[in-house]
Amino acid sequence: AQSVTQLDSHVSVSEGTPVLLRCNYSSSYSPSLFWYVQHPNKGLQLLLKYTSAATLVKGINGFEAEFKKSETSFHLTKPSAHMSDAAEYFCVVSGKAAGNKLTFGGGTRVLVKP
Amino acid sequence: NAGVTQTPKFQVLKTGQSMTLQCAQDMNHEYMSWYRQDPGMGLRLIHYSVGAGITDQGEVPNGYNVSRSTTEDFPLRLLSAAPSQTSVYFCASARGRSYEQYFGPGTRLTVT
Repeated sequence: AQSVTQLDSHVSVSEGTPVLLRCNYSSSYSPSLFWYVQHPNKGLQLLLKYTSAATLVKGINGFEAEFKKSETSFHLTKPSAHMSDAAEYFCVVSGKAAGNKLTFGGGTRVLVKP
Repeated sequence: NAGVTQTPKFQVLKTGQSMTLQCAQDMNHEYMSWYRQDPGMGLRLIHYSVGAGITDQGEVPNGYNVSRSTTEDFPLRLLSAAPSQTSVYFCASARGRSYEQYFGPGTRLTVT
C-alpha cells in the first residue's frame, strides 16, 4: 500500500524568508510524486511533479522539490516566500502497485507574515 | 477551454435527500475521478472512470454512485444523504491514470 505523510500540518514564515514543506512517502515501486497547492475556496493546482527523471524538480512560482529515494522524501522548498504563497499544500504519491491512483497527504497550511 | 467545471458550488441537503453533483470537462480526457476533502485528511478517492462506460470504486465509495455515459460528463449521485457526507467534493480529469490530474473548483455540501 502507498501512503504519504506531511510532517507539518501548519507552517508559519515571514515574507522573504525560505519555505520548507516536508513530505515522506511509502510506495512499493518507483512512484510518481506531486505537489499541489490549494488557495482558499479554490480547486487544486499542480505545482510540480516527479516521474523518474531528474531528482531535483522545478515547478511554478519559484517552488522546487528534491526526490530522495534513500530517505523516501520529497520536500518542497522556495527560497523567498511571498504573501501570495499563503495556501494549503498537498504532497501526493501515485504508483503502479495502486493502479496509479493518487494518495494524498493530510496537507500543510502555510501562513506568510508580513 | 473551460477545463473542469462543477455544479453547484454550494448545496445544503437534509438527511435522507438525494442529489447529483455534476462534473464536466472539455479536454477530451479519458480518466475522471471524484474526491472528497475533509479537514486534516487530504483528498480521498470516491469513484473513478477510465473511459466512457467504465467506472470503479475508490477508497470511500459507500453512499455514492457514478456513471459515465459520455467522455465529457461524470456525475456523482448521493442516494440518501447523511451528515457524514458533509464535505467538499472535487472532480478531476486526466489524459490517463498516470498523467497529471486537473481539478474542478469544488462543491461544498452540507447535510443537516
